[in-house]
Amino acid sequence: DTAVSQTPKYLVTQMGNDKSIKCEQNLGHDTMYWYKQDSKKFLKIMFSYNNKELIINETVPNRFSPKSPDKAHLNLHINSLELGDSAVYFCASTQFLGGGYGYTFGSGTRLTVV
Amino acid sequence: AQKVTQAQTEISVVEKEDVTLDCVYETRDTTYYLFWYKQPPSGELVFLIRRNSFDEQNEISGRYSWNFQKSTSSFNFTITASQVVDSAVYFCALSVDRGSTLGRLYFGRGTQLTVWP
Repeated sequence: DTAVSQTPKYLVTQMGNDKSIKCEQNLGHDTMYWYKQDSKKFLKIMFSYNNKELIINETVPNRFSPKSPDKAHLNLHINSLELGDSAVYFCASTQFLGGGYGYTFGSGTRLTVV
Repeated sequence: AQKVTQAQTEISVVEKEDVTLDCVYETRDTTYYLFWYKQPPSGELVFLIRRNSFDEQNEISGRYSWNFQKSTSSFNFTITASQVVDSAVYFCALSVDRGSTLGRLYFGRGTQLTVWP
């Protein structure tokens, strides 16, 4: 029973393509995030959702569009992929309200744009 | 603004040596949480510890120990008798108890620890 699952684990695609990464959590958490880890291992927040509502959009290009159909899912769609989008993308969740900040991370999606 | 600094980019030790990874944080919030994560070569993020700002007790878990000092805004991590399996990137992170941040984590840039046999 994976708590936070991301698919796919690896994604290789050509510049200009559109791709999606899916994330699902079965922990009943109310808050989900996308983090990007660049080639230098730096982890940076991209988006935060609370109960399907976008709360944080951390100056991410418009080509990135998160979608949360329900509070257990947070997908990331990327249009017109660029070489610089190559990175590892981590989904995470937590129970923000009264949850004590126990975070759970997915195993990551390694995106390679060629 | 929140900030986490891990000044040590890379550390190399020989097995059985003790090693301390430094973490200095900045925040004006009085309620905050500090974390350490391990990222082994396989890539996943492994949770190690969470500390809230009101609990300055040091913690020991097996070969791992953490020293939280509010006076110096530091949350250092020590591995005793290091092993090759400890080789990984270690991240220190901070979150604050404020609705506008929604509990997001502010990560340091990580310290690559290599333990040689």
